[in-house]
Amino acid sequence: QQPVQSPQAVILREGEDAVINCSSSKALYSVHWYRQKHGEAPIFLMILLKGGEQKGHDKISASFNEKKQQSSLYLTASQLSYSGTYFCGTEKVLDDYKLSFGAGTTVTVRA
Amino acid sequence: ETGVTQTPRHLVMGMTNKKSLKCEQHLGHNAMYWYKQSAKKPLELMFVYSLEERVENNSVPSRFSPECPNSSHLFLHLHTLQPEDSALYLCASSQLRGGRASTDTQYFGPGTRLTVL
Repeated sequence: QQPVQSPQAVILREGEDAVINCSSSKALYSVHWYRQKHGEAPIFLMILLKGGEQKGHDKISASFNEKKQQSSLYLTASQLSYSGTYFCGTEKVLDDYKLSFGAGTTVTVRA
Repeated sequence: ETGVTQTPRHLVMGMTNKKSLKCEQHLGHNAMYWYKQSAKKPLELMFVYSLEERVENNSVPSRFSPECPNSSHLFLHLHTLQPEDSALYLCASSQLRGGRASTDTQYFGPGTRLTVL
C-alpha cells in the first residue's frame, strides 16, 4: 500500500520555505526521500531510520515520526535548483526489502 | 554519474512486437529492481532480484518477462504489450544488507520511455 503525499504541488518564490508530508497506514521501518527532475532519474536525498530522527542536507531536512507513521521534508530558503518532483519511499516493518513510493509532490521554484 | 545505465532511452513498439529493455549497474550492488512510472501515479515496483534470484513479482502480467543473468545486468523482455503499458520504466540497484532496504539507497537509471501503439 502506497504512502500518501501532500500537497500534490507547490509553487514557491526563491527564498521561501515549504513542507512536504508523507504518511502511511502501516508501521514503518524507514523512509527514503528522492527528487526527480523532468526527464531524469530520481536522485536520493536521505534515509530516515529511527522514530523521531531528523536529518539535513544543505537546506533540505526531514523528520520521521515513527509513532504517527509520518515523515516530513522541509525545503528552507528554496533555490531554483530545488524544482522537481519529490517522492517518499516507505519501508514497512513487515516488508523488509521493498519500498512503496508516494505519488510525488511537484515543487516549482520561481525567481 | 553513470552508476546505472539503461538502454534504449526511448522505445516505440506495436502491440505485436517483441523488444527488450536493458539495465546495467556499475556499483557492485547485489539487488536490482524494475519499476514502472506512469504519469501522475506512484512508482510501481514490478520485479526485484537479489543475488540474481527473483524475490518479488508484484502481480505483473506475463507479457513482461524479467531476466537477471548476473548481478550487473537486468533485462525486461516485452511481448504483445497493450497501449496502457506505455510508461517510463526505471531500473534501480542497491546493496541489501541483512535483507533490509533501509541499509542503502536505491540508485536509479535514467529510464526507458516506452510508447505502445
